[in-house]
Amino acid sequence: EVQLVESGGGLVQPGGSLRLSCAASGFMFSDYAMHWVRQAPGKGLEGVSAINKDGDSTAYAKSVQGRFTISRDNSKNTLYLQMGSLRVEDMAVYYCARGKQWLDSWGQGTLVTVSS
Amino acid sequence: DIVMSQSPESLAVSLGERATINCKSSQSVLYSSNNKNYLGWYQQKPGQPPKVLIYWASTRESGVPDRFSGSGSGTDFTLTISSLQAEDVAVYYCQQYYNTPYTFGQGTKLEIK
Repeated sequence: EVQLVESGGGLVQPGGSLRLSCAASGFMFSDYAMHWVRQAPGKGLEGVSAINKDGDSTAYAKSVQGRFTISRDNSKNTLYLQMGSLRVEDMAVYYCARGKQWLDSWGQGTLVTVSS
Repeated sequence: DIVMSQSPESLAVSLGERATINCKSSQSVLYSSNNKNYLGWYQQKPGQPPKVLIYWASTRESGVPDRFSGSGSGTDFTLTISSLQAEDVAVYYCQQYYNTPYTFGQGTKLEIK
């Protein structure tokens, strides 16, 4: 069974940093591109970042470009999102999702709260 | 980035009736080399992550009831629920996977009338 478990969310002050992790199991992690998608409270879905299966190609939404860094460790079956210069508008549930094309498996999400 | 626009924002339909949700992309998501539309539809119920219903614009994910269908090509797409059931109450999103990062429509909230 495919499992994606996010961790690392929490309360952080504006301007602060946080690193999210997503532990994958039940499939060959190194065969899949991976994604981070976020959802602000009561709002819709926003694709934040994506990384190819080898980790050598990444993409970012304009809203996070230059502040967030996606990475992966295929030896640990883990996806990461390093978030810096956090803003109030970054507050959201962050989901990791598996997707060679469409996103066919999602984690339950981790909540990031940005507040002073 | 490709901008995805959905209509309506909310929709109330009687049980057993048809529900139709529209999605438009700011540029074509039809890849000419394989003639596939890089468009998916997702269902999200409260407190849950999204779940894929349809991919390649019209292919149902395994286990998805056949009352759900997708159609369209290029920039204009439709999700149809042929006979609404109570368990279909949710927010529905279209999403393009033609470019990364993927982008989503703003969502359509579907309720029972």
